[in-house]
Amino acid sequence: DAKTTQPTSMDCAEGRAANLPCNHSTISGNEYVYWYRQIHSQGPQYIIHGLKNNETNEMASLIITEDRKSSTLILPHATLRDTAVYYCIVRVALWTGGYQKVTFGTGTKLQVIP
Amino acid sequence: NAGVTQTPKFQVLKTGQSMTLQCAQDMNHEYMSWYRQDPGMGLRLIHYSVGAGITDQGEVPNGYNVSRSTTEDFPLRLLSAAPSQTSVYFCASSYSSKSSGATDTQYFGPGTRLTVL
Repeated sequence: DAKTTQPTSMDCAEGRAANLPCNHSTISGNEYVYWYRQIHSQGPQYIIHGLKNNETNEMASLIITEDRKSSTLILPHATLRDTAVYYCIVRVALWTGGYQKVTFGTGTKLQVIP
Repeated sequence: NAGVTQTPKFQVLKTGQSMTLQCAQDMNHEYMSWYRQDPGMGLRLIHYSVGAGITDQGEVPNGYNVSRSTTEDFPLRLLSAAPSQTSVYFCASSYSSKSSGATDTQYFGPGTRLTVL
């Protein structure tokens, strides 16, 4: 799996959009970008994933650059409950092979400030 | 669905003791994994299973054993606990469809906080 680089920490004012960047310059054509988050002391939670098109769901939006070397997770209206560590992961598409070991880095610690 | 459940939530052991961390899922997922998370660090893969009867090692397997006799359960055994195994342990499961477009979103349990004295 391609390696990712994320800032160690970020702050965001409550109610504003939180934009979390991720660099994955060695990503392969068949690798997806996944985002998870881990609220303090809880198990990681899936947020969103994408291949090359921008994606949106009820939790967030994912913007992937045209060259796919970086992406941004957007939380449109951050709340205090969004304070968490956010992990960006790239993984080969499931149907290209067997089990894919997931490598979690240290992620970005997002602090939402009142 | 209960999702992924783990027991116990907290455990304190003495060095040399053995114990089993339980993990169960009711989503009929083929893939299951065990991770440990140390303070300020990301998750590290201990062992994983791609189906009943099939297990393999992850990044940090030493000192741990696993077995997968059913699809639902994936227990993690500490053979002889050491202080270095003090950590938070997470179990996860994921779907294994080979259909084009299928994703393998992982679902995590709430974790077991283990302290080895």
